[in-house]
Amino acid sequence: EVQLVESGGGLVQPGTSLRLSCAAAGFTFDDYGMHWVRQAPGKGLEWVSGISWNSLTTGFADSVKGRFTISRDDAKKSLYLEMKSLRPEDTALYYCAKGNSSRVRDFFDFWGQGTLVTVSS
Amino acid sequence: DIQMTQSPSTLSASVGDRVIITCRASQSLTSWLAWYQQKPGKAPKLLIYKASSLESGVPSRFSGGGSGTDFTLTISSLQPDDFATYYCQQYNSYSITFGQGTRLEIK
Repeated sequence: EVQLVESGGGLVQPGTSLRLSCAAAGFTFDDYGMHWVRQAPGKGLEWVSGISWNSLTTGFADSVKGRFTISRDDAKKSLYLEMKSLRPEDTALYYCAKGNSSRVRDFFDFWGQGTLVTVSS
Repeated sequence: DIQMTQSPSTLSASVGDRVIITCRASQSLTSWLAWYQQKPGKAPKLLIYKASSLESGVPSRFSGGGSGTDFTLTISSLQPDDFATYYCQQYNSYSITFGQGTRLEIK
């Protein structure tokens, strides 16, 4: 059974940094692209970032480009999102999602339950 | 970025109704489009990929259609479990985008 468990969320002040983690199980992690998708309270889904199976290709939404970094550790079966210069508009539930293939340009066949990031002074 | 526009934003329907949700892209996607269902407090669930391929385990009352810029999600006979919010998502470009969502509510 595929499992994705996010962690690292919390309440932080504007301008600070935070690192999210996603622990994966139940599939061959290093065969698949992985992604972060967020959802602000009461709003729709917004893709944040994705990384290919071999880490050679990454993609970012314009809203986070230059501030967020995505990475993966295949030995630990983990996905990460390093978030810097956080803004109140980054407040959201952050989902880890598994891609259906090795690529970044993909759809998402499994999702975690999310970790909440709140940016507020 | 490719803009995705869903319509309607809210849809009121009854159990047994046939409903159609549309999704329009600002440029051609060929068939690189997926549909998701999300219920309150839950993660989204994949329904359809590559515009018309049904994800394993999803009931056959769900179907997807279209290509290029215009796509549809059809529920042939609404069941009580189907009242939720539905999102389309394009994966034609490296900047993935979602539609704004369609809330399907009980009439």
